Amino acid sequence: AQSVTQLDSQVPVFEEAPVELRCNYSSSVSVYLFWYVQYPNQGLQLLLKYLSGSTLVKGINGFEAEFNKSQTSFHLRKPSVHISDTAEYFCAVSDHLGDKLIFGTGTRLQVFP
Amino acid sequence: DTGVSQNPRHKITKRGQNVTFRCDPISEHNRLYWYRQTLGQGPEFLTYFQNEAQLEKSRLLSDRFSAERPKGSFSTLEIQRTEQGDSAMYLCASSLDGGNTEAFFGQGTRLTVV
Repeated sequence: AQSVTQLDSQVPVFEEAPVELRCNYSSSVSVYLFWYVQYPNQGLQLLLKYLSGSTLVKGINGFEAEFNKSQTSFHLRKPSVHISDTAEYFCAVSDHLGDKLIFGTGTRLQVFP
Repeated sequence: DTGVSQNPRHKITKRGQNVTFRCDPISEHNRLYWYRQTLGQGPEFLTYFQNEAQLEKSRLLSDRFSAERPKGSFSTLEIQRTEQGDSAMYLCASSLDGGNTEAFFGQGTRLTVV
């Protein structure tokens, strides 16, 4: 069975500092990996996805993530965060046979001035 | 097209009452998903439709829950005899053809059972 682990429930960081949000997954088949962002009282918005090809994936708002198969990780990074990046971030996985997404428990990124 | 639309945005109901939520997907999307998100948790898959066919249901979907997608367009999720444990955000998403293409989410319906 697939699962996703986001070890950090909260990540506080100062504005313009770099940030990494960690995501590890487990799966018995090939996987497709996603990062979604959820702003307060909003739905989920896709930041980026890994389907195949280059293991470094670039997304919107300056975020990027690197797929590491040997470490079963898909960590999200941004070199310099803004106040507006304050939100909940969810890592998700799906297998190639179905489309339902298995989500992690989320990481709340809080950016301070 | 304004994306996935969910109504109502908020619903407060008394325990034991029935509630129904509606989701209007992006018009050309043939797949529609329902998820439930409780406080401090990630969304959990409930069920999904390919056109009008309900192809998979999670074991989270008890017999008090029913979902429909008549004519393969909008979908409804009904909860009968609501319980306090049903309080959550109910999210709808749609995608085209499945196959791990991007799923677009609505803003959700927040249900509070008192």
